[in-house]
Amino acid sequence: GQQVMQIPQYQHVQEGEDFTTYCNSSTTLSNIQWYKQRPGGHPVFLIQLVKSGEVKKQKRLTFQFGEAKKNSSLHITATQTTDVGTYFCAGRRGNKLVFGAGTILRVKS
Amino acid sequence: DTGVSQDPRHKITKRGQNVTFRCDPISEHNRLYWYRQTLGQGPEFLTYFQNEAQLEKSRLLSDRFSAERPKGSFSTLEIQRTEQGDSAMYLCASSLVGKGSQYFGPGTRLTVT
Repeated sequence: GQQVMQIPQYQHVQEGEDFTTYCNSSTTLSNIQWYKQRPGGHPVFLIQLVKSGEVKKQKRLTFQFGEAKKNSSLHITATQTTDVGTYFCAGRRGNKLVFGAGTILRVKS
Repeated sequence: DTGVSQDPRHKITKRGQNVTFRCDPISEHNRLYWYRQTLGQGPEFLTYFQNEAQLEKSRLLSDRFSAERPKGSFSTLEIQRTEQGDSAMYLCASSLVGKGSQYFGPGTRLTVT
């Protein structure tokens, strides 16, 4: 079945450094979503990408969907302590989402 | 607060007991999802409803698990004869048909001793 892999599993950065997490699917995705989960919290929807090659920005966050619609990335510019958490990508399979295992981001101030 | 709510937030039970969790979605949302999340993993799909109809169940879901959404509003997830492997966070999410984003509740953390 469809699998969604994320790398890295964990990243610890100095405040102000950039951060990128990558998501790869074994099959073509109709769309991909990104969620953020703070420590002790629940996943919170960030964005959905639908079109091949799509790029969307939310302030310091840049999301990309690959041309083949099998991979995606989330890039954070100049990380802040408020960016701490786990970032999940989720590929749509029919009417359900298949989540990756997430990338844990820690930020040293 | 008009977000997704779940009850209880924590449940400790002994192996072999039955447990039931409740989810109240955002009121106008017609889709409701149940997920299970264990440490270091992303949410794993269990089942989903559109209004009161249960449209899909994960093949991984054993027959000890059952979910209902009788009036198309709140939903319950029951686990019968709990096992230690059932220990996890059980998350509920809701969405509108045609809208991709899902809104998650705070979850119910189940510990089976």
